[in-house]
Amino acid sequence: DQQVKQNSPSLSVQEGRISILNCDYTNSMFDYFLWYKKYPAEGPTFLISISSIKDKNEDGRFTVFLNKSAKHLSLHIVPSQPGDSAVYFCAASARRSQGNLIFGKGTKLSVKP
Amino acid sequence: DAGVTQSPTHLIKTRGQHVTLRCSPISGHKSVSWYQQVLGQGPQFIFQYYEKEERGRGNFPDRFSARQFPNYSSELNVNALLLGDSALYLCASSETSRGLLRDGYTFGSGTRLTVV
Repeated sequence: DQQVKQNSPSLSVQEGRISILNCDYTNSMFDYFLWYKKYPAEGPTFLISISSIKDKNEDGRFTVFLNKSAKHLSLHIVPSQPGDSAVYFCAASARRSQGNLIFGKGTKLSVKP
Repeated sequence: DAGVTQSPTHLIKTRGQHVTLRCSPISGHKSVSWYQQVLGQGPQFIFQYYEKEERGRGNFPDRFSARQFPNYSSELNVNALLLGDSALYLCASSETSRGLLRDGYTFGSGTRLTVV
């Protein structure tokens, strides 16, 4: 049973527009959430994280929003650039599980020039 | 400054064989975690080691084992390989057992294992 779900396998966006990637989770014990970007033949690269005590975290063009009541988080990329084209993974962690990150299946983002 | 390094990058093994994958964490990082990523899925947690002790174990059979050495490098061993073990094996390092999660874990590029 998937605890972290990314229901959109793919997303296509025009360069300069906003990309919104969504993630849902089921485990209320998760208290930290992370987004990773992955290019083919490379390992995942950390993008941004958010603690469950916050509802928003920004880092440059990337903003993560957390809605705990809905068990939903989203990653906004503004403006989108062709170099952002990659697979994006949402991951979650529960304090009692130490370093165990639970990943979603990923969303493939394509940013078209 | 070297990141997380994994070796080998690619490996082909036959069913029933044994494989050892290696990982060197970022200098100063004491925690190493192993993940398996099969095609079309997200990485799945296998093990975490911190200060040479196992701190977490995912839902994998006993054919999978790991260890961490005094220099914090790590090995993942898989015995009696099955076709289903074909995957990208990722190693991630962090400074502490739970990492500084605001900075995420740093992943290596992985070892692509193919079992034939």
